[in-house]
Amino acid sequence: DTGVSQDPRHKITKRGQNVTFRCDPISEHNRLYWYRQTLGQGPEFLTYFQNEAQLEKSRLLSDRFSAERPKGSFSTLEIQRTEQGDSAMYLCASSLVNAETNYGYTFGSGTRLTVV
Amino acid sequence: AQKITQTQPGMFVQEKEAVTLDCTYDTSDPSYGLFWYKQPSSGEMIFLIYQGSYDQQNATEGRYSLNFQKARKSANLVISASQLGDSAMYFCAMREGVRGSSASKIIFGSGTRLSIRP
Repeated sequence: DTGVSQDPRHKITKRGQNVTFRCDPISEHNRLYWYRQTLGQGPEFLTYFQNEAQLEKSRLLSDRFSAERPKGSFSTLEIQRTEQGDSAMYLCASSLVNAETNYGYTFGSGTRLTVV
Repeated sequence: AQKITQTQPGMFVQEKEAVTLDCTYDTSDPSYGLFWYKQPSSGEMIFLIYQGSYDQQNATEGRYSLNFQKARKSANLVISASQLGDSAMYFCAMREGVRGSSASKIIFGSGTRLSIRP
């Protein structure tokens, strides 16, 4: 297992277009998290799943954002009608609940979105 | 509500010197975990060190140690003998609950940019 994979690494889109990002977590991890990070700031929590259930969504996650984890494995994050303010790095992370969790999460390398 | 504060936006340190990065936190949950992550310019988040709220001793991992002062709600990261490769953003983070279903999401501070001078 090579860790958490995110695709694509970079995405440039025109304002108003829809975009979808994919995250493949570490295979045995049952929790998956999405964060958004703007330049010079810390990651902001967006949402997380335990298996296929979406357990929490941040108020930051407007109705233009939707996330799924249909089979409890990979996850997708879709942004509809993108705005320039959506430009950010979108980070995915995974972890194993009910196990030793001293290591926090394993993060992917992120998807950098630029809305022009 | 949980909150993490990092008051140092940037720091410059001479190579081989020790450096302390400040972090204070706020939570009403008696059970919580504190983390430090490093984010180099390449963007990946690298876990450095963890401290549980009930741990009796300060955590250490190689050149990293966490100065945990529970009464002051501070969790400063100390890097000994700094190296050029330590130049990066450093984030303090916290999770209420410790493990299992009680563990909530990790929240992050705004970060400190550390620059090591040769």
